[in-house]
Amino acid sequence: KAGVTQTPRYLIKTRGQQVTLSCSPISGHRSVSWYQQTPGQGLQFLFEYFSETQRNKGNFPGRFSGRQFSNSRSEMNVSTLELGDSALYLCASSWTRRFEETQYFGPGTRLLVL
Amino acid sequence: GENVEQHPSTLSVQEGDSAVIKCTYSDSASNYFPWYKQELGKGPQLIIDIRSNVGEKKDQRIAVTLNKTAKHFSLHITETQPEDSAVYFCAASKGDKIIFGKGTRLHILP
Repeated sequence: KAGVTQTPRYLIKTRGQQVTLSCSPISGHRSVSWYQQTPGQGLQFLFEYFSETQRNKGNFPGRFSGRQFSNSRSEMNVSTLELGDSALYLCASSWTRRFEETQYFGPGTRLLVL
Repeated sequence: GENVEQHPSTLSVQEGDSAVIKCTYSDSASNYFPWYKQELGKGPQLIIDIRSNVGEKKDQRIAVTLNKTAKHFSLHITETQPEDSAVYFCAASKGDKIIFGKGTRLHILP
């Protein structure tokens, strides 16, 4: 079974631009969560989508948004990029929307904001 | 809010020795505690997990213990091998939320 895939793997943007990242979950998984990983803050939860609805949201500004499509694929968008947005963005999928179930992570998209 | 503290941040052990990583959590309602291993250039992968109704779980060279009263849980890796070198994350969850520790970079020395 194919794992979680994320595109693109690497991205360079400049301040003020916006970016869209894509995540395809494992077939059959309906929950997709997004995380930001930085050396200083570690893994921080951004938001979770289940059946095309955002179910949970972390403490990030409104510049961070996402959506989920009917095939469970998800996109994450960051508008008005700031230098501090440079990070590895990970998505994870699972069968259900409860975090007591195993999450399967993708390889991440490394975003560099200049 | 929920907080997960993980120690140490870096750990070096001789190949063949054991490694122990410890985490504490603040929310007593947390009931699921996974451990993830992240290798360079890859996303985290679940290596073992434990639920609040169990005190210990073992899978070959890896074991996890949970002390609900003290609100701490630990990862134990025995007979360490070079391929165990990675960053390890603990996490605590109560269903609608999951909080990760800051990670431990484990170096296995030859």
